Amino acid sequence: EPEVTQTPSHQVTQMGQEVILRCVPISNHLYFYWYRQILGQKVEFLVSFYNNEISEKSEIFDDQFSVERPDGSNFTLKIRSTKLEDSAMYFCASSEGGVRGYGYTFGSGTRLTVV
Amino acid sequence: DQQVKQNSPSLSVQEGRISILNCDYTNSMFDYFLWYKKYPAEGPTFLISISSIKDKNEDGRFTVFLNKSAKHLSLHIVPSQPGDSAVYFCATTIYNFNKFYFGSGTKLNVKP
Repeated sequence: EPEVTQTPSHQVTQMGQEVILRCVPISNHLYFYWYRQILGQKVEFLVSFYNNEISEKSEIFDDQFSVERPDGSNFTLKIRSTKLEDSAMYFCASSEGGVRGYGYTFGSGTRLTVV
Repeated sequence: DQQVKQNSPSLSVQEGRISILNCDYTNSMFDYFLWYKKYPAEGPTFLISISSIKDKNEDGRFTVFLNKSAKHLSLHIVPSQPGDSAVYFCATTIYNFNKFYFGSGTKLNVKP
């Protein structure tokens, strides 16, 4: 079964450092998303991406965050200068036809720990 | 952001019995609802969904009920199996809005 692949599974970084979280969405999917879950809290929407641009972003997704689809297969989330409160599980997702389309699939996540 | 609430952080059920997981929402604009299941160290996996034009959707052992007037969603698992032990999230969206709103999750433990 096709899956969304995220790397690394766990990343530890020092506060103030830049991190890039990587995702390989399902190959025929057109819509891409990042969500995060701070330990013990709900899964929160960060950003959606379609046709090489951001289609929607949340208040969390401030100037420190950016997304990119550099080569047609990868979808990356960059945090420019990490803060302690950025520590969370970050989930990438992709779908064929937007949120309401078929096959909205999540990756297994990257656990980001900022120290 | 408290638009979607799952008030029970955990639920313990005996194998073979019914599990009922509940979810409440506040925004009457939500019109599509989903349940996701999550195991440790994995991403959420889609379980079942329901559109606001329906009040029930069934898929095998899983049934989702929607009560729009009460803004309440529930997931019934019958019969419950130990492999169902996981965290269950309800999620919802508004048509043409490109994101989900998730509840905080309910950890289900099905005892053999």
